[in-house]
Amino acid sequence: GAGVSQSPRYKVAKRGQDVALRCDPISGHVSLFWYQQALGQGPEFLTYFQNEAQLDKSGLPSDRFFAERPEGSVSTLKIQRTQQEDSAVYLCASTPPGGWETQYFGPGTRLLVL
Amino acid sequence: LAKTTQPISMDSYEGQEVNITCSHNNIATNDYITWYQQFPSQGPRFIIQGYKTKVTNEVASLFIPADRKSSTLSLPRVSLSDTAVYYCLVGVPSGSARQLTFGSGTQLTVLP
Repeated sequence: GAGVSQSPRYKVAKRGQDVALRCDPISGHVSLFWYQQALGQGPEFLTYFQNEAQLDKSGLPSDRFFAERPEGSVSTLKIQRTQQEDSAVYLCASTPPGGWETQYFGPGTRLLVL
Repeated sequence: LAKTTQPISMDSYEGQEVNITCSHNNIATNDYITWYQQFPSQGPRFIIQGYKTKVTNEVASLFIPADRKSSTLSLPRVSLSDTAVYYCLVGVPSGSARQLTFGSGTQLTVLP
């Protein structure tokens, strides 16, 4: 079956622009996570949804970062007024009910802020 | 969450067995040990998980000593396609999913 998909795969933004990154989780997966991965580092947690509820947003680095999942399926990570330090790969993962270890990751969106 | 320490990089040759060790001295009683694999331009992929002793699946084995302060991921007969970053994670699985805490991982390079 289809895995987690993300779009766009690559995004170049000028400093100060707003960007929106989309995640389509695996159908039926209740939990959805966003991670940020800097070059040469492991992914770092940003935020977590269970259905449409955002249960943890402790990893969002600033109030310029905003995530939503209004219908409990597709999620969007929005970054306002992008800065160069926002350049990273943004990964989305989803899990079936009851699955902790089996987070299924998408390919990521590589964001470059110039 | 328990901190993990892994080698930054390892090299191996095709056909060899590769063992990557992870230290987690502060592992808690309820923590499990999980390994993920990540290829360039892809998201991490679950490999194996264990609590104690030995776990084996179709791609790897995980060895955990009695004190659980370390663990070793064993990849039998590696091929070039096993070149990737391998992450060791510790934490508690629960009925509701939790965030994963990754370290910097181990870059495994398999040479011909």
